[in-house]
Amino acid sequence: GENVEQHPSTLSVQEGDSAVIKCTYSDSASNYFPWYKQELGKGPQLIIDIRSNVGEKKDQRIAVTLNKTAKHFSLHITETQPEDSAVYFCAASDTGGFKTIFGAGTRLFVKA
Amino acid sequence: GAGVSQSPSNKVTEKGKDVELRCDPISGHTALYWYRQSLGQGLEFLIYFQGNSAPDKSGLPSDRFSAERTGGSVSTLTIQRTQQEDSAVYLCASNLNTGGAGELFFGEGSRLTVL
Repeated sequence: GENVEQHPSTLSVQEGDSAVIKCTYSDSASNYFPWYKQELGKGPQLIIDIRSNVGEKKDQRIAVTLNKTAKHFSLHITETQPEDSAVYFCAASDTGGFKTIFGAGTRLFVKA
Repeated sequence: GAGVSQSPSNKVTEKGKDVELRCDPISGHTALYWYRQSLGQGLEFLIYFQGNSAPDKSGLPSDRFSAERTGGSVSTLTIQRTQQEDSAVYLCASNLNTGGAGELFFGEGSRLTVL
């Protein structure tokens, strides 16, 4: 089955700096790669996603890149703000879209 | 309601007791998922439903765990003879799933503490 590895587990940056979180997956049949943000006491919420037919997607300060050959994908947050502090999860979904496997999460701290 | 609703939000029980956790998905969402999140950990897949059937139960940790879904809507996760290692937040998510992968909409979770 699919296995998703995520690094780093903790990331601390200064406000205004960029943050990068990296993930690798094992199942070459996976074709959907979402990123979720989880704030304290809440369920995860989708912030951006990418499908295997594109290599990069951007939404304001957030971008995701995908390298299908290497089976890795990354989340880039630019101009970080204190409200970006949260736990971020990458995930990969199988071809049927029925089972989404999550990485272990990255706790991001943005220092003002 | 507008979002995924889970109950109870908090449950404290004694070791050996049975517990039931409920999930009310977004209306019209055919797919429903249960995940477990232990303290400071990632999301562990437990089971998913497509309609009322569960094609993949591979994530259930033991035979003490079971889940059902009725009417293509509400789902119940049951843990029998709870153990301390069952303590975690149990998250439910639903998805429109019209033939492809897409966004999971999560509830706020049920926090289970087994004493």
